[in-house]
Amino acid sequence: GAGVSQSPSNKVTEKGKDVELRCDPISGHTALYWYRQSLGQGLEFLIYFQGNSAPDKSGLPSDRFSAERTGGSVSTLTIQRTQQEDSAVYLCASSQAGTNLQGEQFFGPGTRLTVL
Amino acid sequence: LAKTTQPISMDSYEGQEVNITCSHNNIATNDYITWYQQFPSQGPRFIIQGYKTKVTNEVASLFIPADRKSSTLSLPRVSLSDTAVYYCLVGDARKGKSTFGDGTTLTVKP
Repeated sequence: GAGVSQSPSNKVTEKGKDVELRCDPISGHTALYWYRQSLGQGLEFLIYFQGNSAPDKSGLPSDRFSAERTGGSVSTLTIQRTQQEDSAVYLCASSQAGTNLQGEQFFGPGTRLTVL
Repeated sequence: LAKTTQPISMDSYEGQEVNITCSHNNIATNDYITWYQQFPSQGPRFIIQGYKTKVTNEVASLFIPADRKSSTLSLPRVSLSDTAVYYCLVGDARKGKSTFGDGTTLTVKP
């Protein structure tokens, strides 16, 4: 079956421009996560969506970062006025984690963002 | 959130058993322990999850002592293809926010 997909796979942008990164989770998964991974580093949590609940935005590094999830499915991570330090791989994951589940997270291939 | 500590790197040889330990001293009552494997240019992949004692699946075992302040991932008879970064994740998935550790880079040599 289809896994988590992300687009674009690579994005090169100029400093100051806005970018949108897309994530298509596995169908039926209620939970969706965004992470950031800088070169050679671990995963940094950004934001978490669970069903229709208010998202946990506690990991977003600044107000230039925002994310939405439409219809409980596709999610878009938007970075406004990009900075060079935003360069990283942005990973999306989905799971069936919910009220009574400790579901494993299924990760997409990531979007490699390069800010020049 | 529970902070996790893992060794930065480990080396092993093909056919050996590898044990990677993760420390999580302030683990909460409802937290589970999950391990992920990540290859270069790929997203992490689930290996195993547990709450207490021992869990075994077809690829690994997870040992968790009674105090749950640490856990050990055991990979039996590693091969070159097991060279990857291994992450310990401690948290309550029902609450969402996931804190990955810095990961352990395992290098398997022939």
